Amino acid sequence: QVQLQESGPGLVKPSQTLSLTCNVSGGSISSGGYYWNWIRQPAGKGLEWIGRIYSTGSTSYNPSLKSRVTISLDTSKNQFSLNLSSVTAADTAMYFCARRDCSGGTCYIDHWGQGTLVTVSS
Amino acid sequence: SYVLTQPPSVSVAPGKTASISCVGNNIGSKSVHWYQQKPGQAPVLVIYYDTDRPSGIPERFSGSNSGNTATLTISRVEAGDEADYSCQVWDSNIDHVIFGGGTKLTVL
Repeated sequence: QVQLQESGPGLVKPSQTLSLTCNVSGGSISSGGYYWNWIRQPAGKGLEWIGRIYSTGSTSYNPSLKSRVTISLDTSKNQFSLNLSSVTAADTAMYFCARRDCSGGTCYIDHWGQGTLVTVSS
Repeated sequence: SYVLTQPPSVSVAPGKTASISCVGNNIGSKSVHWYQQKPGQAPVLVIYYDTDRPSGIPERFSGSNSGNTATLTISRVEAGDEADYSCQVWDSNIDHVIFGGGTKLTVL
């Protein structure tokens, strides 16, 4: 059973870079077949997809965040990471890492991390 | 960009049937997936490919999708079904995951 676990600072200062890592166990992120995603949720609001990375290193990002987001892979550690630059209070949210399965002409999220709360504040 | 619209809240009495809508332009041409999220927890997939239930999801959960509206239906609602429910589609043209705004289901 695949498990995902987020880690990183819970507090980030405005204008700095938010950096989170997702450790994956129970499956290899380099084996292909799945996409590795970051999703966030401000308190009391809906889910927002941030972006994804594939085992080849190819990425796709939400246009609303694209200029500030980088998602990368570390296959030696079976991890993937999120960097979000120039953060503001609007980036305060619960951040989830997740696995996306694509088959039958569509994609859905089949495994989620428990989430990590990131607060942007001085 | 593609937009999914859900009602902010739905209320239902125990034992009754709850219906949660997800409206999008010609959504019937896409596959819709639904997630249940309880407070402080990660979302859980409850319906995928419009109508299918993952292993472990009760038969009381069902889905439909046609025209501009997809619907999640929960029959014989229980107190434990109280949660936020979000719909999701995949925009294949730009490889983006799109979520609805979520609906809070309250069991009276």
